Amino acid sequence: RKEVEQDPGPFNVPEGATVAFNCTYSNSASQSFFWYRQDCRKEPKLLMSVYSSGNEDGRFTAQLNRASQYISLLIRDSKLSDSATYLCVVNSPDSSYKLIFGSGTRLLVRP
Amino acid sequence: DAGVTQSPTHLIKTRGQQVTLRCSPISGHKSVSWYQQVLGQGPQFIFQYYEKEERGRGNFPDRFSARQFPNYSSELNVNALLLGDSALYLCASSLAGTGDPLPGNTIYFGEGSWLTVV
Repeated sequence: RKEVEQDPGPFNVPEGATVAFNCTYSNSASQSFFWYRQDCRKEPKLLMSVYSSGNEDGRFTAQLNRASQYISLLIRDSKLSDSATYLCVVNSPDSSYKLIFGSGTRLLVRP
Repeated sequence: DAGVTQSPTHLIKTRGQQVTLRCSPISGHKSVSWYQQVLGQGPQFIFQYYEKEERGRGNFPDRFSARQFPNYSSELNVNALLLGDSALYLCASSLAGTGDPLPGNTIYFGEGSWLTVV
């Protein structure tokens, strides 16, 4: 079983749509959770950290359910520029600085 | 301010050869990590160095080695290249190498080195 699992997609949505991505992680001892965005042939960039209480950054909302070991990302009012791969990331319990990435969920926003 | 810089950006090697990839962290950052990203997969952790000491190692063979220099730059070496080593190699830097990697200790990635083994 993969340590971090995501639906690979692609999710193909029209501009303005709301889209949600889910992710599960296997190690209950993980303490830090993130969503990274990766554009085609570019490096991953931190989109947002995920806190237990849930957090919002503009059109993006992240939720964490520790009991179910489940992380989600909601994107409202999708823009063409949101087209990218979204990587679910948790830290390794062995080391805060060892990040464990999911394989990513691809989002395509069409006009 | 310069971000994380990596070199070379692209390179092609033959099976059995050796390769050295270089990384300069953001000024003031003391921690450097290396990740391998194979097409269609997320990045996989290879090494972390903090203050010139290895602090973590992923599940990679001994053909992979790395070091960090006094100026905190780092090199990743891969010996006896295999076709399966073809990937994007990412360097990440952060201010600290321990503690909570949240705001203030955010991990930043360089643009990567694309390695093709033929």
